[in-house]
Amino acid sequence: QLQLQESGPGLVKPSETLSLTCSVSGDTLSGGSYSWGWVRQPPGKGLEWIGAVYYSGRANYNPSLRSRVAMSVATSKNQFSLSLTSMTAADTAVYFCARVNSETYADSWGQGILVTVSS
Amino acid sequence: QSALTQSASVSGSPGQSITISCTGTSSDVGYYNFVSWYQQHPGKAPKLIIYDVSNRPSGLSNRFSGSKSGNTASLTISGLQPEDEADYYCNSYTNTNTWVFGGGTKLSVL
Repeated sequence: QLQLQESGPGLVKPSETLSLTCSVSGDTLSGGSYSWGWVRQPPGKGLEWIGAVYYSGRANYNPSLRSRVAMSVATSKNQFSLSLTSMTAADTAVYFCARVNSETYADSWGQGILVTVSS
Repeated sequence: QSALTQSASVSGSPGQSITISCTGTSSDVGYYNFVSWYQQHPGKAPKLIIYDVSNRPSGLSNRFSGSKSGNTASLTISGLQPEDEADYYCNSYTNTNTWVFGGGTKLSVL
């Protein structure tokens, strides 16, 4: 059974870089037909797509975050990662990782990790 | 890219049917048949309930159905049950290979 689990800091200082990792079990990142994505949700607000990455390293990002975001895959560890630079309070959110099917929908999700930006 | 437009809230009684609409543009909802819908209970991760406009994941109740006309997609839930009370989000793949979500609709089962 596929499981995804986010890990990383729960608190980040303004201007710092957020680094999150998603560990995948029950599937392999190099399986081919899937990509691996990130979605975030500010407290009390809606979902926002951050982007997705293939095992090859090719990635698509939300245009509004493109200048600050990078995603990568570590196939040997069956993990993929998110890096978001220059964090501000507006980046405070629950960050979800997900398996993306056919580039167009997320069929499995992690439980999410709350990241708070505060000094 | 702007968020897809969803009504903020909808309500219904057990056993009734409700429809949630999701309006986009010719660059997203109207461009491809790649609209998906997610159900989210408080404090939980979203759950896929519809993909490619009208397809249900294996094992999901057929009380959930999706459709699309032009730039507007719709999710219909029939035979409302108390456990259907949740937030619902639409999503569309766009003509620039990105995603855009709707603002979400809160369903209350009265």
